[in-house]
Amino acid sequence: QSVLTQPPSVSGAPGQRVTISCTGSSSNIGAGYDVHWYQQLPGTAPKLLIYGNSNRPSGVPDRFSGSKSGTSASLAITGLQAEDEADYYCQSYDSSLSGSGVFGTGTKVTVL
Amino acid sequence: QVQLVQSGAEVKKPGASVKVSCKASGYTFTSYGISWVRQAPGQGLEWMGWISAYNGNTNYAQKLQGRVTMTTDTSTSTAYMELRSLRSDDTAVYYCAREYSYGYGFYYMDVWGKGTTVTVSS
Repeated sequence: QSVLTQPPSVSGAPGQRVTISCTGSSSNIGAGYDVHWYQQLPGTAPKLLIYGNSNRPSGVPDRFSGSKSGTSASLAITGLQAEDEADYYCQSYDSSLSGSGVFGTGTKVTVL
Repeated sequence: QVQLVQSGAEVKKPGASVKVSCKASGYTFTSYGISWVRQAPGQGLEWMGWISAYNGNTNYAQKLQGRVTMTTDTSTSTAYMELRSLRSDDTAVYYCAREYSYGYGFYYMDVWGKGTTVTVSS
């Protein structure tokens, strides 16, 4: 069971803006650890989308943005496109349980 | 280009062991760690653990302690993940990923292998 909670699904029409939340606790996001986001297209390996809460790797469109506040983080997709239909996961570090990496529960984005 | 190439699919019986390899190329192997992540059919991502390719230090997920061993061979730039006493719920796609670290507890996975399917069935 993941310690980072995401909504199971979000949807939007092409061109719209959608946001995905990632809720943690005082032992992970709330402790100051950074949040990173990954995109997983159907049948493929995850791909790094956002690192260090709000930074985009080279090649990631600026339609994707990330933020963090308190014990939560968010991923926003503006100008939604058909190719954005995928699963999205947040990831951080948790200082409990001898310290470990943790992923969010995952969110399926559907483009209507 | 930077890439991680994983070994092929495996089918194992319950109680057996599996060893998955992950060969790195295009970067200095010992400058990064390797994380292992698995994904059961239709499920989310699960962090399994991490190994430093620099000194071999490891950190395993608590639920896998005692069953998993991660190693590296710096002479071939290859990382390995061995999982023992396999059960049906170990059936999953296993990914290796290069880990970029910028402080204790601050890291992300910037390059991923394509995954290795491990099926545990009698």
